[in-house]
Amino acid sequence: NAGVMQNPRHLVRRRGQEARLRCSPMKGHSHVYWYRQLPEEGLKFMVYLQKENIIDESGMPKERFSAEFPKEGPSILRIQQVVRGDSAAYFCASSPPRGLVYGYTFGSGTRLTVV
Amino acid sequence: QKEVEQNSGPLSVPEGAIASLNCTYSDRVSQSFFWYRQYSGKSPELIMSIYSNGDKEDGRFTAQLNKASQYVSLLIRDSQPSDSATYLCAVTNLRDSNYQLIWGAGTKLIIKP
Repeated sequence: NAGVMQNPRHLVRRRGQEARLRCSPMKGHSHVYWYRQLPEEGLKFMVYLQKENIIDESGMPKERFSAEFPKEGPSILRIQQVVRGDSAAYFCASSPPRGLVYGYTFGSGTRLTVV
Repeated sequence: QKEVEQNSGPLSVPEGAIASLNCTYSDRVSQSFFWYRQYSGKSPELIMSIYSNGDKEDGRFTAQLNKASQYVSLLIRDSQPSDSATYLCAVTNLRDSNYQLIWGAGTKLIIKP
């Protein structure tokens, strides 16, 4: 039973390019959460998705950032026109329905570097 | 007031001693409580969960929950250098019919050989 899979592990983008981060949840998990972590800082919630629905995007910047979790395929976090301040580790986690009662499992993360 | 508060540390503990990590939360109806460990450059890893008042032991780790005082703690016995990491406290709250995991900022633990 594979864990939460994130790819790529490392991503380098020039300022102004687009970054696409992918997350495949654990088998049987239909809820996905995205977090951002700046160096030496805590986890910052970005968005919570269920299949084909955005449940809570209160932590996601209004501009340039979007997320989706289609019926088929991985969840995608998309950052348009990246800036240096977007450099961070982006973690995805997944849980089964009502799984937050039991916590959730993180992927290994994508380290985004904007040059 | 932050919803989940932890002392940021660093907390320095000699090898072999007991490390005590504390966390307080503000929502009285919080239901589930978790401790995650995060090594530098790695993703958080769930190490303990606790749901009812009292102690829960798993190997060298003991989680303690006191809902009346709204705190949860993690004790690490016989601390090892490999326990050096940031420990994150997380609490499940029900918001707008959806469960959400609210995170503390983490406590950095350093075990000195």
